Amino acid sequence: EVQLVESGGDLVQPGGSLRLSCAASGFTFSNYWMNWVRQTPGKGLEWVANINPEGSDNYCPDSVKGRFTISRDNAKNTLYLQMNNLRAEDTAIYFCARFGVVAATDYWGQGTLVTVSS
Amino acid sequence: QSALTQPPSASGSPGQSVTISCTGTSSDIGGYNYVSWYQQHPGKAPRLMIYEVTKRPSGVPDRFSGSKSGNTASLTVSGLQAEDEADYYCSSYVGVNNYVFGTGTKVTVL
Repeated sequence: EVQLVESGGDLVQPGGSLRLSCAASGFTFSNYWMNWVRQTPGKGLEWVANINPEGSDNYCPDSVKGRFTISRDNAKNTLYLQMNNLRAEDTAIYFCARFGVVAATDYWGQGTLVTVSS
Repeated sequence: QSALTQPPSASGSPGQSVTISCTGTSSDIGGYNYVSWYQQHPGKAPRLMIYEVTKRPSGVPDRFSGSKSGNTASLTVSGLQAEDEADYYCSSYVGVNNYVFGTGTKVTVL
């Protein structure tokens, strides 16, 4: 059974940093593109970053470029999101998700809450 | 990249059909056949319902179907059931491994 379990969400002050982790199991992690998607409480979804199976290429939207970095450790079956210089508008539930079919995510974790507030 | 535009709400009675639109531009929906749809119940993670405009993952009922015309994609739910009441989001590839989601539509089963 495919499982994705996020951790690391917390309350952090504006300008602070946080690293999220996503532990994957039930599939060959090193074969798949992975991504992070966030959801502001009560609002919609926003794609945050994705990374290729080897970990050598990654992409993110302008809203987080230069502040967020996605990475992976295939030996540990774990996906990461390093978030720096956090802003209030980064407050959201962060989901880890697998690109299991063409240009779409077929498995999602349950999410981890990041709150940016003083 | 701006979010794709969806109607805030849609509704239908059990057994009826409801269609949700998702409007973008020639740089996203109109430029690629990579539109997907997600269902999300309150407090739950999104679930993939449609990918590549019309394809259904295994386990998704054939009551769910997708289509696209120009810069607008649509999701149709036929034979509405109580468990279909949820939020629905579209998503499109926009090039260079970038993606954008829709604004979301709340479907109510009357």
